[in-house]
Amino acid sequence: GAVVSQHPSRVICKSGTSVKIECRSLDFQATTMFWYRQFPKKSLMLMATSNEGSKATYEQGVEKDKFLINHASLTLSTLTVTSAHPEDSSFYICSAVAGEASSYEQYFGPGTRLTVT
Amino acid sequence: KQEVTQIPAALSVPEGENLVLNCSFTDSAIYNLQWFRQDPGKGLTSLLLIQSSQREQTSGRLNASLDKSSGRSTLYIAASQPGDSATYLCAVESYKLSFGAGTTVTVRA
Repeated sequence: GAVVSQHPSRVICKSGTSVKIECRSLDFQATTMFWYRQFPKKSLMLMATSNEGSKATYEQGVEKDKFLINHASLTLSTLTVTSAHPEDSSFYICSAVAGEASSYEQYFGPGTRLTVT
Repeated sequence: KQEVTQIPAALSVPEGENLVLNCSFTDSAIYNLQWFRQDPGKGLTSLLLIQSSQREQTSGRLNASLDKSSGRSTLYIAASQPGDSATYLCAVESYKLSFGAGTTVTVRA
């Protein structure tokens, strides 16, 4: 149980285009989902916290107009990178929790490798 | 602000040797601490989760200890195998999950 999927696993897009990444909890309802970004040989950085039916909470320094997050259902959250640029190239990982985010284990997706050319 | 540090950044050992990976954190007010494994270009696999009230957790050849007061955790991997080669990440949960940069382990056959 507690499986989280991400789609696509890899995506290459041209500079200036937008790309959407999906995060799904396959066998549980996720009240909260998180989006992380990982730079090479660096730790994961939390980008935003997404609660179903409400606006995402972004971490300091993360542009909310560039990284659009939608959590329209209890099993799906999407991250849209708008007007992507090469510096947005990174590994994006989502996670999901079933209960209160501060008390329950986060289950991680397999990640999405975004390359912007 | 919680800061998580993992030392060493990289480690290479011969097969069969025991591995000791260290993690330290600056704010001891945590809910839990997790150890993850990450293979190159892949997502995270959860290895062990230690609640703040616990001192250690064990799973097979893996044992993780937690000393919350000193802000330290250690992951022990007994009798290492080449398949243990990966990056190991430590993460502490306070108001959010904060990750260390990881220790990249290479087990030589």
